Amino acid sequence: GEDVEQSLFLSVREGDSSVINCTYTDSSSTYLYWYKQEPGAGLQLLTYIFSNMDMKQDQRLTVLLNKKDKHLSLRIADTQTGDSAIYFCAESANQGGKLIFGQGTELSVKP
Amino acid sequence: EAGVVQSPRYKIIEKKQPVAFWCNPISGHNTLYWYRQNLGQGPELLIRYENEEAVDDSQLPKDRFSAERLKGVDSTLKIQPAELGDSAVYLCASSGLLGAGETQYFGPGTRLLVL
Repeated sequence: GEDVEQSLFLSVREGDSSVINCTYTDSSSTYLYWYKQEPGAGLQLLTYIFSNMDMKQDQRLTVLLNKKDKHLSLRIADTQTGDSAIYFCAESANQGGKLIFGQGTELSVKP
Repeated sequence: EAGVVQSPRYKIIEKKQPVAFWCNPISGHNTLYWYRQNLGQGPELLIRYENEEAVDDSQLPKDRFSAERLKGVDSTLKIQPAELGDSAVYLCASSGLLGAGETQYFGPGTRLLVL
């Protein structure tokens, strides 16, 4: 069945780059998303990438997609303490359909 | 533009009691989703609506959970009776704004604690 895996924790120093990794199993995944969740809040959409792309950049965020290996990563440049949160990777086989989420990666940014 | 609105934000009830959650999606969004997020996990879909029609309710525990989306706008999710294992965050999301793809936008969630 469909499955999305993420490492649970990542700790970085303020100003460093953070790289959060995700693997998925559904080869029919067409859209892949990154969401951010701060304590006590809902999910905030950060960015998404279509499966026919291998990279997308949006300000401090860079998404890399290796479709052959079913591997997705999110790089945050110049990580700030305000970036501390849980980051969820999610896949969808079609736009508007069910999202399958990973278990989330907790990013801790130390000053 | 207002985002997805959910209420209440928090709810504490005793087991076997009923509980209801309300969601108002982003204006113009035709598709509405209810997800459940257990502690330390990612959200899991319970039900998806296209306008007023439930098009995917395969993960909804129908013995105790029900949902409705009258008039294809607001939606209510109900649990009756609640069990201890229902303690979770219930998230509502919507999608469907033309020009922005059908990316799902989430509300703040309702945090349910069943004692």
